[in-house]
Amino acid sequence: ETGVTQTPRHLVMGMTNKKSLKCEQHLGHNAMYWYKQSAKKPLELMFVYNFKEQTENNSVPSRFSPECPNSSHLFLHLHTLQPEDSALYLCASSQSQAPLGDEQYFGPGTRLTVT
Amino acid sequence: GQQLNQSPQSMFIQEGEDVSMNCTSSSIFNTWLWYKQDPGEGPVLLIALYKAGELTSNGRLTAQFGITRKDSFLNISASIPSDVGIYFCAGRAGSYQLTFGKGTKLSVIP
Repeated sequence: ETGVTQTPRHLVMGMTNKKSLKCEQHLGHNAMYWYKQSAKKPLELMFVYNFKEQTENNSVPSRFSPECPNSSHLFLHLHTLQPEDSALYLCASSQSQAPLGDEQYFGPGTRLTVT
Repeated sequence: GQQLNQSPQSMFIQEGEDVSMNCTSSSIFNTWLWYKQDPGEGPVLLIALYKAGELTSNGRLTAQFGITRKDSFLNISASIPSDVGIYFCAGRAGSYQLTFGKGTKLSVIP
């Protein structure tokens, strides 16, 4: 138990569906992250939020839309996805200040399958 | 962006053996982290390193921040079956976000 929870753990959706992934951290951190993990590739950073403000969007397609209502919650809204978007989506959190800001704690991930 | 080379990609070892894996970067890093990921779970932070030459242990795990600041090593002593998993290195150069290696998949033969 890392203090970061993600729901749902598994999601199957069609290309025309709209769904949302949820992440919650209980660590008192101020920075939250979304990553995509595909087989045989390094973790790909998607979005970074610091004190609820988006500070990084790593050229992510607009069919992925993040939302951070407060420092403890992070959402990833999904719509009109493609089969190549199937992957494990990981949420992480960290303190906002360096060097502790480099220590990111991950949730268990949501395994997404797009059919 | 920054690039990390992690090796080996996979390894099979006998229970009780020591294990060593490493990461190298093309840039000077300020931070090196090591994570372990079990199947169906997210990565778990094992060790964090912040200074060149730093050697840090966590139980049977020992990691070092290379003196050139372009590499890091993780050693596991006296491996046991629960050490099975994928080990990732991660590092940060300058003001960039963390960069992750592709992982080393460890299998332990009882």
